[in-house]
Amino acid sequence: GAVVSQHPSWVICKSGTSVKIECRSLDFQATTMFWYRQFPKQSLMLMATSNEGSKATYEQGVEKDKFLINHASLTLSTLTVTSAHPEDSSFYICSALGSGGLLNEQFFGPGTRLTVL
Amino acid sequence: QQPVQSPQAVILREGEDAVINCSSSKALYSVHWYRQKHGEAPVFLMILLKGGEQKGHDKISASFNEKKQQSSLYLTASQLSYSGTYFCGSYSGGSNYKLTFGKGTLLTVNP
Repeated sequence: GAVVSQHPSWVICKSGTSVKIECRSLDFQATTMFWYRQFPKQSLMLMATSNEGSKATYEQGVEKDKFLINHASLTLSTLTVTSAHPEDSSFYICSALGSGGLLNEQFFGPGTRLTVL
Repeated sequence: QQPVQSPQAVILREGEDAVINCSSSKALYSVHWYRQKHGEAPVFLMILLKGGEQKGHDKISASFNEKKQQSSLYLTASQLSYSGTYFCGSYSGGSNYKLTFGKGTLLTVNP
């Protein structure tokens, strides 16, 4: 149980295009999901907290107009990187917060590697 | 604030033991340990909650000293599959349950 999927696994796009990444909790409902980005050999940096039915909470320094987050249902959150540039190339990972007996546990998706040419 | 992990890297031979430490300058409600293999997402190992918990699974165990705001992860009789980067994530309370991760400890287990 507690499986989180991400789609796509990797994406290569041209500079200026927008890319959407989906994060789904497959066997549990997640009112809260988190989006992280990770540069090579570095730690996970939280970008934003996504709550179902409300606006996402962005961490300091993260442009909310560039990284659009939509948490439309209890099992799906999406991150759209708008007008992507090469410096946006990174490993993007989502996690979903467990509930009930899984409270406080974060379950990570497999990640999406974005390369912007 | 980001918790501090030590050491930054450790190299072991199969069967040896290792300890990874995680300390925070903020009061902690819980500490979460993850292992990440290269190119993959982090895999949950365990949570330790406020109250001085200790936990273990197989030959991996952890302790949490809330007074010292520290947690340690113990890997006993290491196996090749233990190789990876270990992250501790700290949660200091609040309704959003967000974690702040340390910089990671790279563990390499050689035959």
